[in-house]
Amino acid sequence: SYEVTQPPSVSVSPGQTARITCSGDALPKQYAHWYQQKPGQAPVLVIYKDTERPSGIPERFSGSSSGTTVTLTISGVQAEDEADYYCQSADSSGTYVVFGGGTRLTVL
Amino acid sequence: QVQLQESGPGPVKPSQTLSLTCTVSDASISSGGYYWSWIRQPAGKGLEWIGRIYTSGRTNYNPALKSRVTISVDTSKNQFSLNLSSVTAADTAVYYCARTNLACNGGNCHVHFDYWGQGTLVTVSS
Repeated sequence: SYEVTQPPSVSVSPGQTARITCSGDALPKQYAHWYQQKPGQAPVLVIYKDTERPSGIPERFSGSSSGTTVTLTISGVQAEDEADYYCQSADSSGTYVVFGGGTRLTVL
Repeated sequence: QVQLQESGPGPVKPSQTLSLTCTVSDASISSGGYYWSWIRQPAGKGLEWIGRIYTSGRTNYNPALKSRVTISVDTSKNQFSLNLSSVTAADTAVYYCARTNLACNGGNCHVHFDYWGQGTLVTVSS
């Protein structure tokens, strides 16, 4: 089955740069997308198609891709960025949608 | 801004069928261009895609749940619905509906979710 893997947690101090990775064998061919989820709230799309940022998402959120790994980068992390972040992709038919296990970002 | 709102009858007993409806506002399901999905999240755990539907009624389901899932659409009410049969405690989760972008290029398809409902907790308990 198709899987994507994320680290369970990342910690960073305010103002620093946070990098959250997502790995999967199909990622060189399939886009990855990123969602931010704060406690008790629905997920919010922050990056789609590896690098695209939806309107209304701060510029400090960016995405990149290299081989089997995609990375969500948050530059100048703020306290409000503390949340769970999920990577999501799909198989080539678009039928099998997969989410990573999520990464808890802690702002120290 | 597209808005989605989940609704349902509340707790469900084991072996019964879970039924939820998603009402879409500020967008028309019948306009096409997007699929509409159900996604769930058990407490303290990650997200699981359940399935999606197009305005035509075409559906795709998560293979792990396919035997128990039915998603339908009512374009006259701008709603789509989820039925999950033979539920157990493992189906207890927050259920979200979401607008789904599906784009295919040269046989390679990509899927992401751009608007989500607030979610509704469904508890399976006797």
